[in-house]
Amino acid sequence: DAKTTQPPSMDCAEGRAANLPCNHSTISGNEYVYWYRQIHSQGPQYIIHGLKNNETNEMASLIITEDRKSSTLILPHATLRDTAVYYCIVRGTTDSWGKFQFGAGTQVVVTP
Amino acid sequence: NAGVTQTPKFQVLKTGQSMTLQCAQDMNHEYMSWYRQDPGMGLRLIHYSVGAGITDQGEVPNGYNVSRSTTEDFPLRLLSAAPSQTSVYFCASRQGGYGYTFGSGTRLTVV
Repeated sequence: DAKTTQPPSMDCAEGRAANLPCNHSTISGNEYVYWYRQIHSQGPQYIIHGLKNNETNEMASLIITEDRKSSTLILPHATLRDTAVYYCIVRGTTDSWGKFQFGAGTQVVVTP
Repeated sequence: NAGVTQTPKFQVLKTGQSMTLQCAQDMNHEYMSWYRQDPGMGLRLIHYSVGAGITDQGEVPNGYNVSRSTTEDFPLRLLSAAPSQTSVYFCASRQGGYGYTFGSGTRLTVV
């Protein structure tokens, strides 16, 4: 059973903020939310992760709702190079790191 | 650090041939995994390893073997290539608490 649900695609205008939603309504207390992205033909790239507090780094911000049932990845000023498939992954602290599984993700297209 | 290195980058095989996809990491990472990605689809886990000498199956292990004799290397063997194994293969190793670091992929075509 999928742990996360993401929209299959979304568009964003260059220079605007891109807000990528992820639903993880069955998340449990020890499960982290990870975000990765995959630019065409390249290997996936780590973006950010969090447990319950909002997180920010040089690439993006992660907003997790208070009930932790959903989260939003924010790319503050989208550029054409942010066009990629974005994956939201839930992993528990007791889960084997070996079974780090990706879903279908959201195809984000940034347009000029 | 070179990170995760995969070789070859491209390969064409005939049905029934065997080959080994190489993966090496120089970060002393404990965990390593192999994924395959078919056109327009997400990544599917083939096999993974939680340390030298320890491997386990992922979602789609049939037709593939792995071994982990050293921390650095995690080769993936195709026993008897089939057209259904045409795919892009990614190797990854765990980067501390940030999840996995991925290689650049091997693009395999089986004819």
